[in-house]
Amino acid sequence: DVKVTQSSRYLVKRTGEKVFLECVQDMDHENMFWYRQDPGLGLRLIYFSYDVKMKEKGDIPEGYSVSREKKERFSLILESASTSQTSMYLCASSLSVGLGSTYNEQFFGPGTRLTVL
Amino acid sequence: KNEVEQSPQNLTAQEGEFITINCSYSVGISALHWLQQHPGGGIVSLFMLSSGKKKHGRLIATINIQEKHSSLHITASHPRDSAVYICGAGGSNYKLTFGKGTLLTVNP
Repeated sequence: DVKVTQSSRYLVKRTGEKVFLECVQDMDHENMFWYRQDPGLGLRLIYFSYDVKMKEKGDIPEGYSVSREKKERFSLILESASTSQTSMYLCASSLSVGLGSTYNEQFFGPGTRLTVL
Repeated sequence: KNEVEQSPQNLTAQEGEFITINCSYSVGISALHWLQQHPGGGIVSLFMLSSGKKKHGRLIATINIQEKHSSLHITASHPRDSAVYICGAGGSNYKLTFGKGTLLTVNP
């Protein structure tokens, strides 16, 4: 079974702090994603990485950066946390087979609920 | 950018009922994903389909590419089916745009 793990289930930080959220997958997936999930807004893509050291902005990248130094690990960084970044953060990974292939199914981690005070 | 709309937003059913959740998208896609999220739980991928129909147990997903529409059906619904169901539309890369989700409550 694919396993996607996230470093914390719950995190409380202060405004202005630098926050690191870590995600690790154990199935050698090329693609990794960071989403945030908010009531009434659903899942929104923050950043996407399709290979080591490669990244693409998603729909809401402002205030975030990412790092992918190893294939299995994708980090989300909040450079200076703000209260508007209080949210559930979800990491996902998938293979990079031909578009439309069933093997492109995304596997999600358990999520990190971040509260910024 | 793809716009993905789900209906209904909330759905309450009695155990045993047949359930349908709808998903419409605005731009042609490579695949449509259906996800399930139980309260306080993680997200699980149910289906990924690019054409036709798929079935897994009591769950059936269909897609009509021409009409840009997909449906998720649950036959003989059960309280354990209570969850948020989310559809995601995949475009010309591996990124997905998601609907806001449908909260399903199945009462015994």
